[in-house]
Amino acid sequence: SFELTQPPSLSVSPGQTTNITCSADSLGNKFVYWYQQRPGQSPLLVIYKDDKRPSGIPERFSGSNSGNTATLTITGTQATDEADFYCQAWDSSTLYVFGGGTRVTVL
Amino acid sequence: EVKLVQSGGGLVHPGGSLRLSCVGSGFPFSERHMDWIRQAPGKRLEWIGRVQTETSDLSTHYAASVSGRISISRDDTDSSMYLQLDSLKIDDTAMYYCARADQDGFDLWGPGTMVTVSP
Repeated sequence: SFELTQPPSLSVSPGQTTNITCSADSLGNKFVYWYQQRPGQSPLLVIYKDDKRPSGIPERFSGSNSGNTATLTITGTQATDEADFYCQAWDSSTLYVFGGGTRVTVL
Repeated sequence: EVKLVQSGGGLVHPGGSLRLSCVGSGFPFSERHMDWIRQAPGKRLEWIGRVQTETSDLSTHYAASVSGRISISRDDTDSSMYLQLDSLKIDDTAMYYCARADQDGFDLWGPGTMVTVSP
């Protein structure tokens, strides 16, 4: 079955760039969505269709998807960006699939 | 304000049933497919089902993990969506979110409602 793999955790210093990866076979052939989930809150869509940013999402969030890997990049990471981030894609057999999530800690 | 409001949930015994509600406002509810997604404590998000719009014949799609126990419906006159899950197991313990579909993703989420399945 189709599975999305993310690193469990990342630590970053304020102002630095955070790159969160999401991997699966031929992921570049699918659209990838990214969600931010702060503690105790529901998920928030931050990137859709690989690299599109919804209204209201800061420009420091960007996305890319090629080959087997999609990447969510946070440029100039802020303390408020500390959260769990999930990638998600659609697959014909498994339908809507989420990655395991990456906890981003801003030190 | 565009939002989803959820109700229902709580403590349920194994073998019991749950019925959750989700009400949308601030957008044309009838024009959007709607989904249920859950998250067990400390686990990843898990999509469990969708009800499509009336123009798509109100078709439903369910995850294999809950197939046979789940029913999702909607009432566009009330901008509401419902989740019925039967024969509950301990593993069904989770935060249940309703979400608005946007092509292959989900662009609006409800606040979630906790369901605990325990003897």
